Amino acid sequence: GAGVSQTPSNKVTEKGKYVELRCDPISGHTALYWYRQSLGQGPEFLIYFQGTGAADDSGLPNDRFFAVRPEGSVSTLKIQRTERGDSAVYLCASSLGVPGNTIYFGEGSWLTVV
Amino acid sequence: DAKTTQPNSMESNEEEPVHLPCNHSTISGTDYIHWYRQLPSQGPEYVIHGLTSNVNNRMASLAIAEDRKSSTLILHRATLRDAAVYYCILNYGGSQGNLIFGKGTKLSVKP
Repeated sequence: GAGVSQTPSNKVTEKGKYVELRCDPISGHTALYWYRQSLGQGPEFLIYFQGTGAADDSGLPNDRFFAVRPEGSVSTLKIQRTERGDSAVYLCASSLGVPGNTIYFGEGSWLTVV
Repeated sequence: DAKTTQPNSMESNEEEPVHLPCNHSTISGTDYIHWYRQLPSQGPEYVIHGLTSNVNNRMASLAIAEDRKSSTLILHRATLRDAAVYYCILNYGGSQGNLIFGKGTKLSVKP
């Protein structure tokens, strides 16, 4: 595809359940980012990958959140023991990983924890 | 991280120019100024970025103050499709690291 693809586009889960959100970056992009956006707020940084490794995971709120990118392409954001406060849009983005380079965002995965 | 200050909201009439201001008085010499916009129910979209000189592209122009403590995003002729939240962001050293978003400016365009 031409852009960043995220699945599922919508997910409703029960409190306490485990959730996985998938991101397919633009082909050839070495840098991949996860953001979270709550209603009425700007996106909040979670984690950034350069290749397979997490270059900066300082935005992950706690140890219930984990992300992987095993082959340097597709990434999965994993949330354990979901809480109602985890309800938000989870945005994935990618770039060529060159300083000052444009970052391209997907349309997000809307997570609702009930 | 250096912060930016933007008005919460602005209104414009269709076909008229729009000047969206951003203050970043604590900007460092290596910070790039990025603008993104977010249409309803979509992810943020890159608009433009610059370091010191004014920049133009097909979407907009970016005017950067000489002291770099402020900048202005210029939409030359607003259309209804330009109604969005516009974010002004400083990117440390132009690095590929994370972008720190604020609340942005919600632009409304009236027909």
